[in-house]
Amino acid sequence: IQMTQSPSSLSASVGDRVTITCRASQTLSTYLNWYQYKSGKAPKLLIYAASSLQSGVPSRFSGSGSGTDFTLTIRSLQPEDCATYYCQQSYTTHGWTFGQGTKVEI
Amino acid sequence: QVQLVQSGAEVKKPGASVKVSCKASGYTFTNYFIHWVRQAPGQGPEWMGVINPSRGSTSYAEKFQGRVTMTRDTSTSTLYMEVSGLRPEDAAVYYCARGPTITSRPWDAGDYWGQGTLVTVSS
Repeated sequence: IQMTQSPSSLSASVGDRVTITCRASQTLSTYLNWYQYKSGKAPKLLIYAASSLQSGVPSRFSGSGSGTDFTLTIRSLQPEDCATYYCQQSYTTHGWTFGQGTKVEI
Repeated sequence: QVQLVQSGAEVKKPGASVKVSCKASGYTFTNYFIHWVRQAPGQGPEWMGVINPSRGSTSYAEKFQGRVTMTRDTSTSTLYMEVSGLRPEDAAVYYCARGPTITSRPWDAGDYWGQGTLVTVSS
């Protein structure tokens, strides 16, 4: 399964609404997760099963979608949200597949 | 609290092997799958395989079959991932990640991750 994210990078201001999309090459139902990667730190699970917020993650993060099209939204961008975001499918029994990432800058 | 603490950076020559460790704490070690993922510079993360720490059973990505070995030591709650026959393209940050409980399908999201281990492959 191929995962295609867009955009590959974006620049936004503090307080902006940011949307990242992820498209799968075949249907995933809702087996889609989102992660935040920061250099030198452990990756962080943000959203699982397409729209469920992981415990401890700020509510400004949300996910939506099903089938092949998914979205990660940051409702009000904060400075600490500067990171690279990856979608990941957990549908197949052949292992995880990740998107190529979206780098978010302030 | 759940923690996965990985071993330090490694520098290896082509053809050598590297063994990365991941020490788990804060939960029942044998109850959760552990996945291994790597990320090469400028690329997206790449799944390598998964281990059931209770049974020691493994499933590897086809790309790594025969070159990667995942093991565990239940006495120390430590997972190991060894890559043999290193090539320059194996240079990456390697992560362990806790998957779902072993009573679930192993493919669900990884909720806790190690801090990563940088492996450099250079002659």
